[in-house]
Amino acid sequence: SYELTQPPSVSVSPGQTARITCSGDALPKKYVYWYQQRSGQAPVLVIYEDTKRPSGIPERFSGASSGTVATLTISGAQVEDEADYYCYSTDSSGNHRVFGGGTQLTVL
Amino acid sequence: EVQLVESGGGLVKPGGSLRLSCAASGFAFSAYGMNWVRQAPGKGLEWLSFISSGSIYIYYADSVRGRFTISRDNAKNSLYLQMNSLRAEDTAFYFCAREGQRGTTDPLDSWGQGTLVTVSS
Repeated sequence: SYELTQPPSVSVSPGQTARITCSGDALPKKYVYWYQQRSGQAPVLVIYEDTKRPSGIPERFSGASSGTVATLTISGAQVEDEADYYCYSTDSSGNHRVFGGGTQLTVL
Repeated sequence: EVQLVESGGGLVKPGGSLRLSCAASGFAFSAYGMNWVRQAPGKGLEWLSFISSGSIYIYYADSVRGRFTISRDNAKNSLYLQMNSLRAEDTAFYFCAREGQRGTTDPLDSWGQGTLVTVSS
């Protein structure tokens, strides 16, 4: 079955840049989406279609994708950005959805 | 306001069965594809299954294919997940999530609050 691979954790100090990667064989052909999930809350979309930012999401969140690796970048991370981040995409058929394993971002 | 409310969770023994429901309101349920997603306590999100608006297209994750069955009743604005042959590793919060329509930004644009399934003897 298709998998998306993320690092389990990333840690930065406030104001630093946090980068979270997501790798998957189908990413050259399929969009990736990034969700932020704070403890006990529903996931919130922070990046869609690889690079686009939904309205209401701070400009410090950006996305990129090259080949089989997508990257979520948080420039100048804030304490409130501490959360779990999940990439989301589909397999090459477009039928089976998949989440990455999730990355716990610590900002302290 | 879009609302998705899951129910049917509980404690079940290994090998047992459970049927989850998701009651939808505030939108035209019959026009949207729907998903089931789960999250084991302290673990990551796992997509389980998708059903198209008219039930024509149905897909499952490998982890549940052959054991779980997704279905919907558009007349009742309800989504279901029949879970058979349950295992300890199926213990999780189960969420229904609305599939964003083509052209929208969010592929999972509304979520329920989840229902807890615990598989234990």
